[in-house]
Amino acid sequence: DTEVTQTPKHLVMGMTNKKSLKCEQHMGHRAMYWYKQKAKKPPELMFVYSYEKLSINESVPSRFSPECPNSSLLNLHLHALQPEDSALYLCASSQDRAGAQDDEQFFGPGTRLTVL
Amino acid sequence: AQRVTQPEKLLSVFKGAPVELKCNYSYSGSPELFWYVQYSRQRLQLLLRHISRESIKGFTADLNKGETSFHLKKPFAQEEDSAMYYCALRDTGFQKLVFGTGTRLLVSP
Repeated sequence: DTEVTQTPKHLVMGMTNKKSLKCEQHMGHRAMYWYKQKAKKPPELMFVYSYEKLSINESVPSRFSPECPNSSLLNLHLHALQPEDSALYLCASSQDRAGAQDDEQFFGPGTRLTVL
Repeated sequence: AQRVTQPEKLLSVFKGAPVELKCNYSYSGSPELFWYVQYSRQRLQLLLRHISRESIKGFTADLNKGETSFHLKKPFAQEEDSAMYYCALRDTGFQKLVFGTGTRLLVSP
């Protein structure tokens, strides 16, 4: 399995809802990433997990809560979101060999989130 | 701060014409530069990186540290090259990728 998978593909939620986005990879990668991509904008890094520990948080609001239950799974828990949080949420993974110039990030197809 | 600039939002060429997608960066450290591509209804994928100095699908890119540029070139564009292209930068040894705003390449028959 050489792909990053994400579920669901689409999600519509209200501002009071609690939902979760899921990401999975079985490539043995030890780094996993969440990106946010607004329409017609580039992806922006949100979080990085390295060996199941949070290594980067790009000052993301606490209404977004990441979780890495094991090396293959990455979740993003959503609570009390705002309409401006509507975006495509991308997950990626990489081998995470620190300093390795060939540490390629593989991206999932994304979850398109709409907050009403 | 790391910054990647892609000055063209849209580049439209005819099949067989040469293509150059521009990318400039500002970073004081030792950056690694990448080109990512997103074809219609497909996921973002790595096209090439400066350290490998390889040609992928006929595309090449040379890192010019003097001009802080990493332009993507192809001598003869094909219709299947139509896609969104993102230039990205990463500090050596770190995980954070910073993307440019992207250039949409449209190759017409």
